[in-house]
Amino acid sequence: NAGVTQTPKFRVLKTGQSMTLLCAQDMNHEYMYWYRQDPGMGLRLIHYSVGEGTTAKGEVPDGYNVSRLKKQNFLLGLESAAPSQTSVYFCASGLGLQSGYTFGSGTRLTVV
Amino acid sequence: AQSVTQLGSHVSVSEGALVLLRCNYSSSVPPYLFWYVQYPNQGLQLLLKYTSAATLVKGINGFEAEFKKSETSFHLTKPSAHMSDAAEYFCAVSDDYKLSFGAGTTVTVRA
Repeated sequence: NAGVTQTPKFRVLKTGQSMTLLCAQDMNHEYMYWYRQDPGMGLRLIHYSVGEGTTAKGEVPDGYNVSRLKKQNFLLGLESAAPSQTSVYFCASGLGLQSGYTFGSGTRLTVV
Repeated sequence: AQSVTQLGSHVSVSEGALVLLRCNYSSSVPPYLFWYVQYPNQGLQLLLKYTSAATLVKGINGFEAEFKKSETSFHLTKPSAHMSDAAEYFCAVSDDYKLSFGAGTTVTVRA
């Protein structure tokens, strides 16, 4: 099993450009999450989904959009990138809170 | 909202010494609690979890954690540090449909 796969692994964007980060899981998990990791701030939740076709805002949703059209995929979009969105983005999935999450290996995004 | 506080952003230990990482939680309901480890340039890996069964939880790589309701704590320990334990460690608490993470503690192991 591949687990949770994130693409791309690295990306450099210019301010104002758009992009989509893809997260794919092959474990039939209902719940999927997008976090960003910044030094000294731990992981902050951007958006999450509790099932196919559903999405919800986390604690730092501004400037991001998401879609979960298929159960196995969770897309994170940046419509107009800003330098403040320079970060490492992690996708995670899980069966439920009691089981914990499986994380992807991350996408390192730099906005110049 | 539930939250966790990790005491100490950096911990330095000698190889063979005790590793102790502190985590206190805030939760209005019985929580699920987790410890994750992150090695450089990798994602987070689950070390162990507390889900209201035994209060002393054993995880991978020789780590264990004890849930203490009276102290609202879930501290992580390992009796003898190894060089391979150098990493960042995150405590997390269940919060509705998601986990809330602490700011992380970086562990350095001295030879």
